[in-house]
Amino acid sequence: GESVGLHLPTLSVQEGDNSIINCAYSNSASDYFIWYKQESGKGPQFIIDIRSNMDKRQGQRVTVLLNKTVKHLSLQIAATQPGDSAVYFCAENGSSNTGKLIFGQGTTLQVKP
Amino acid sequence: EAQVTQNPRYLITVTGKKLTVTCSQNMNHEYMSWYRQDPGLGLRQIYYSMNVEVTDKGDVPEGYKVSRKEKRNFPLILESPSPNQTSLYFCASSLTIGLNGYTFGSGTRLTVV
Repeated sequence: GESVGLHLPTLSVQEGDNSIINCAYSNSASDYFIWYKQESGKGPQFIIDIRSNMDKRQGQRVTVLLNKTVKHLSLQIAATQPGDSAVYFCAENGSSNTGKLIFGQGTTLQVKP
Repeated sequence: EAQVTQNPRYLITVTGKKLTVTCSQNMNHEYMSWYRQDPGLGLRQIYYSMNVEVTDKGDVPEGYKVSRKEKRNFPLILESPSPNQTSLYFCASSLTIGLNGYTFGSGTRLTVV
């Protein structure tokens, strides 16, 4: 069935290092993917998105890579900072008719000073 | 400031007592949706609305109702809350369906005793 999974529940990195958070999706029909950041006590915050006609998209300190062949999505954060500590979710548009987003379980990023 | 506003942020209620969680967006978005977030289950869609007077069920609609009488507001109604509706609820909106990042509210933590 449809699912979006993240490979690691927790990722711990040193401040200043680069972080890579991975996500596997199963619905090959999905054509839009989003990464969200959720800090404690807050709602998911949009980070970056990518459409299926692209394989890479860059933002400020973040890059999303999409590999449709193996149905894999990753989020790279450059020069990770303490403020990046949060739970990161990938999401795919499970249905273009309903607008439903299918979320993964989330990866907790811990940044060590 | 462009935002999705939910109220209340926290609510403790008793089984069977009707309640409404309000959601309002100031971005003139057509699409609005409600999600609940539970440990181990992630974010799941409850209801969505493509525009005024157009609403439909998501994946977990049982026990909930919604209405969309005006574009900016999308309240979530629990006619007879039960303890299994204890959860963290998020309202989200998007300019259109499918290919735009969704803006989430800050969440409503509901406890039903």
